[in-house]
Amino acid sequence: DTEVTQTPKHLVMGMTNKKSLKCEQHMGHRAMYWYKQKAKKPPELMFVYSYEKLSINESVPSRFSPECPNSSLLNLHLHALQPEDSALYLCASSQVTGVSPDTQYFGPGTRLTVL
Amino acid sequence: QQQVKQSPQSLIVQKGGISIINCAYENTAFDYFPWYQQFPGKGPALLIAIRPDVSEKKEGRFTISFNKSAKQFSLHIMDSQPGDSATYFCADVGSTNSGYALNFGKGTSLLVTP
Repeated sequence: DTEVTQTPKHLVMGMTNKKSLKCEQHMGHRAMYWYKQKAKKPPELMFVYSYEKLSINESVPSRFSPECPNSSLLNLHLHALQPEDSALYLCASSQVTGVSPDTQYFGPGTRLTVL
Repeated sequence: QQQVKQSPQSLIVQKGGISIINCAYENTAFDYFPWYQQFPGKGPALLIAIRPDVSEKKEGRFTISFNKSAKQFSLHIMDSQPGDSATYFCADVGSTNSGYALNFGKGTSLLVTP
């Protein structure tokens, strides 16, 4: 099973709201990723977790806060977002063999609209 | 991050034809080049990838060709079908201090007409 699940599928929120996106995988992968994808653009990396070690993309505003409760779960907490943050948020996971890059498996994404 | 240069931006091919998408990279941390296929409203899915100890990899109708000296790789879709209509992304890989980051090209929107 190479499935990454994401909830919710769609989310509409106001600029003052606090919400969370959730991602789960049961493939035993030890790396999990958040990407942001605007319409007709490629996915752009936001965050990486590997063995609970966080790597932060420098261009990610602090209104996005990731959390990795365990190796199977990844959350993205959202607060005080702007309309330009509206996008498809993709979660991915991969093995970490440490030798060479491993395949990243993507979830279906959460379509976020900020009003 | 240096972006992978992908072309064309869009492509229209008749059913049964050959679709060709090209990518060029500058510097990469790893010799690993995946292609992802994305349908509207879905996440990207790995289509095929090459680790260039070989110059070509074929899986069914999909072939990756790799030219290390030119820093180029391409995707060929043989006998293109309407179901292949999707957006295709090439990527190379950069490393972070805790994982591997995919650097995607800008994408190619492929339409296969009946």
